[in-house]
Amino acid sequence: QVKLLQSGAALVKPGASVKMSCKASGYTFTDYWVSWVKQSHGKSLEWIGEIYPNSGATNFNEKFKGKATLTVDKSTSTAYMELSRLTSEDSAIYYCTRGSDWGQGVMVTVSS
Amino acid sequence: DVVMTQTPVSLSLAIGQPASISCKSSQSLLGTSGKTFLNWILQRPGQSPKRLIYQVSKLYSEVPDRFSGSGSETEFTLKISRVEAEDLGVYYCWQGTHFPYTFGAGTKLELK
Repeated sequence: QVKLLQSGAALVKPGASVKMSCKASGYTFTDYWVSWVKQSHGKSLEWIGEIYPNSGATNFNEKFKGKATLTVDKSTSTAYMELSRLTSEDSAIYYCTRGSDWGQGVMVTVSS
Repeated sequence: DVVMTQTPVSLSLAIGQPASISCKSSQSLLGTSGKTFLNWILQRPGQSPKRLIYQVSKLYSEVPDRFSGSGSETEFTLKISRVEAEDLGVYYCWQGTHFPYTFGAGTKLELK
């Protein structure tokens, strides 16, 4: 069955960057867009952007341009998201999803 | 951005009762393809979101048929014919027609 397995929780310092992964299995990785979604504590969901693994094409929420970088490694069916210049506002759970299926989420805590 | 407005904010129901959640969008979600990309997901406590319904009314194969979705253009409804214990959690509608994709604020279903 389809699985999206995300990397583990991260504790990072303000101003630093963090890169998380989303390893796909159970389907043809290059055929589906992979989106990234942010869920701040106790709040709703925000769409960050998406990447098409076959071409590397991306679409972003304007709010996250300059904050998030999306990449893929087709050889390992893995999508990556890097968040830069982290602040406390970036503390959240981040999910990858192909629309129908969701990863388990990565909790990112930004603290000195 | 398309604003997704969900009502009610919360529902407290006994097992066996019906449930209805409304989702209204600030713009029509009918895309140029002729498809309406309105989805419903459920986030159980402490879990990642799970898929329920796509394109307004299409249930994913594993979703019980007590769930149904309806609507068009800007007004959509999720119904549960008879609530069961496993249905508790937060329900979100989200649209994938217009960039950036956006989510409703969620409706929390609690058991009475």
